[in-house]
Amino acid sequence: AQTVTQSQPEMSVQEAETVTLSCTYDTSESDYYLFWYKQPPSRQMILVIRQEAYKQQNATENRFSVNFQKAAKSFSLKISDSQLGDAAMYFCAYRSANYGGSQGNLIFGKGTKLSVKP
Amino acid sequence: ETGVTQTPRHLVMGMTNKKSLKCEQHLGHNAMYWYKQSAKKPLELMFVYNFKEQTENNSVPSRFSPECPNSSHLFLHLHTLQPEDSALYLCASSQGFTGRGGGEETQYFGPGTRLLVL
Repeated sequence: AQTVTQSQPEMSVQEAETVTLSCTYDTSESDYYLFWYKQPPSRQMILVIRQEAYKQQNATENRFSVNFQKAAKSFSLKISDSQLGDAAMYFCAYRSANYGGSQGNLIFGKGTKLSVKP
Repeated sequence: ETGVTQTPRHLVMGMTNKKSLKCEQHLGHNAMYWYKQSAKKPLELMFVYNFKEQTENNSVPSRFSPECPNSSHLFLHLHTLQPEDSALYLCASSQGFTGRGGGEETQYFGPGTRLLVL
């Protein structure tokens, strides 16, 4: 079974600085998707960025980028020019590219709480 | 209204009550999900519906009963709950399991229902 591990329960960053959140996963599959979701205090889970495993190029969305290392099964999130609104829980998630049974379901890590200091 | 909506946002109920949670998606999706989020635990997938058919029941107790009358609506009927069922219940939707690739594997979440069982 696949697992997702976020080893940093909490992180802190100064406003305008850069922070990197870590995520590792375990799978025997070669084709899958990886996601970062953000959950602010309002509790709405918001998609930040997604990566297809078959793409070597790292995904980028404005100030958010990932470092996808397939061989190492690592998928870290870099937030540049951090803003106060970035403060939230960040969840890493894995989804198989196979759609049979439960293989298509999202598997979440436990999350990293990010604080942004003014 | 856009995206995924959930009602009520907050619910307090006794162990003998019967209540229902409602989820509605306005994204034209065909798959809908129920998740449970408890403190300090990863998100737990409860149920999955794909084109109105239940494709996943993740060993959820029978006191939780899902209903999906159409692709836009998903309900979670609650009956004889226990205090340990107190949690945030999140609904999500995605395009549906029709094949691989594209954006259909991305799930979009509602704001959640905060449930307290007394």
